[in-house]
Amino acid sequence: DTGVSQDPRHKITKRGQNVTFRCDPISEHNRLYWYRQTLGQGPEFLTYFQNEAQLEKSRLLSDRFSAERPKGSFSTLEIQRTEQGDSAMYLCASSPQNTGELFFGEGSRLTVL
Amino acid sequence: GESVGLHLPTLSVQEGDNSIINCAYSNSASDYFIWYKQESGKGPQFIIDIRSNMDKRQGQRVTVLLNKTVKHLSLQIAATQPGDSAVYFCAENSGGSNYKLTFGKGTLLTVNP
Repeated sequence: DTGVSQDPRHKITKRGQNVTFRCDPISEHNRLYWYRQTLGQGPEFLTYFQNEAQLEKSRLLSDRFSAERPKGSFSTLEIQRTEQGDSAMYLCASSPQNTGELFFGEGSRLTVL
Repeated sequence: GESVGLHLPTLSVQEGDNSIINCAYSNSASDYFIWYKQESGKGPQFIIDIRSNMDKRQGQRVTVLLNKTVKHLSLQIAATQPGDSAVYFCAENSGGSNYKLTFGKGTLLTVNP
């Protein structure tokens, strides 16, 4: 399968714990995006990388959230001191340069108890 | 109580009928629009896109219409099939070459056999 893959697919954690999600984009894609989706809503933009550079972050991304893409390939999204309001589906997408066609992964569903 | 966000607009059609899903976008500066399909438990899947210098684009069984005057986008699906049942999102790009997409709320399409 050469699509975008995300791990883990599901994560249940207790409030206050840290969680990390990983995204492996399509190999030739240099752009990588993180989105968050809650039930009944469309995905909301969180952050965007071009190669290893994080070019934009949403105001939704509080100080507890950090994303990295150290070698311009896979990316991680870490949430520290999780809160119940962080419960959502975290979607990763990748795209080639100069196109708006984003290829989404299946998402990582986070449940904070 | 139940969140307002759970009340997705819904469209129910009979198999073989044509479906029209509508979307109002917010930013008159948006230059690129995409329709995505999301099946339960999966990430959004690209259907068709259109740039702001066009008012109509056709794909296989799908047509997107863009009316910039009233900031309205529609997706027409011909000969709707049960496999078309999903939530459909329109997304607009107001981020220039970064393609930071803003997604609408979504419409749940149910196709009855």
